[in-house]
Amino acid sequence: KAGVTQTPRYLIKTRGQQVTLSCSPISGHRSVSWYQQTPGQGLQFLFEYFSETQRNKGNFPGRFSGRQFSNSRSEMNVSTLELGDSALYLCASSLHTSGILNEQFFGPGTRLTVL
Amino acid sequence: EDKVVQSPLSLVVHEGDTVTLNCSYEVTNFRSLLWYKQEKKAPTFLFMLTSSGIEKKSGRLSSILDKKELFSILNITATQTGDSAVYLCAVASGGSNYKLTFGKGTLLTVNP
Repeated sequence: KAGVTQTPRYLIKTRGQQVTLSCSPISGHRSVSWYQQTPGQGLQFLFEYFSETQRNKGNFPGRFSGRQFSNSRSEMNVSTLELGDSALYLCASSLHTSGILNEQFFGPGTRLTVL
Repeated sequence: EDKVVQSPLSLVVHEGDTVTLNCSYEVTNFRSLLWYKQEKKAPTFLFMLTSSGIEKKSGRLSSILDKKELFSILNITATQTGDSAVYLCAVASGGSNYKLTFGKGTLLTVNP
């Protein structure tokens, strides 16, 4: 069974631009969560989707948004990029309704650099 | 604000040693505590704990939760170089809106 895939793997943007990251979960998984990892703040929870609905949300500004499609693939969008948005963005999928409470499988991440 | 604190932040041991990693937390409406191992990029799941006093075990790794004292430990016996990684503790909490709060991790280095 294929693992969680994320595209692109690396991305360079400039301040003020917007970016869309994509995540394809493991086949059969309907829960997808997104995380931001930086050296200073560590791993932080962004949001979780299940069956195309945002179920849970972390403490991030509205510039960070996401959606999930009927095939469970998910996208994350960051608008008006700031230098501090430079990070590794990880997505994870789970068989469980609330994946963040249970076992999740992480993708390799997208490394975003904002110049 | 929910907090998860891991200690030590880093640890260097020799192969064969036993290590204990600590995770303490202060959250509102605790749901579960999870341990992950992060070697290069993607964390991999180790354990999920929801009940106090019940040890979870997988090979040389084991973990236990104390909900009264608000902490968990992760033990690794007979360490191997392949155990070198960052070990992350995360706590799921909340009512209708769950969230996951991670600790900063413990960097474990196992030398041959």
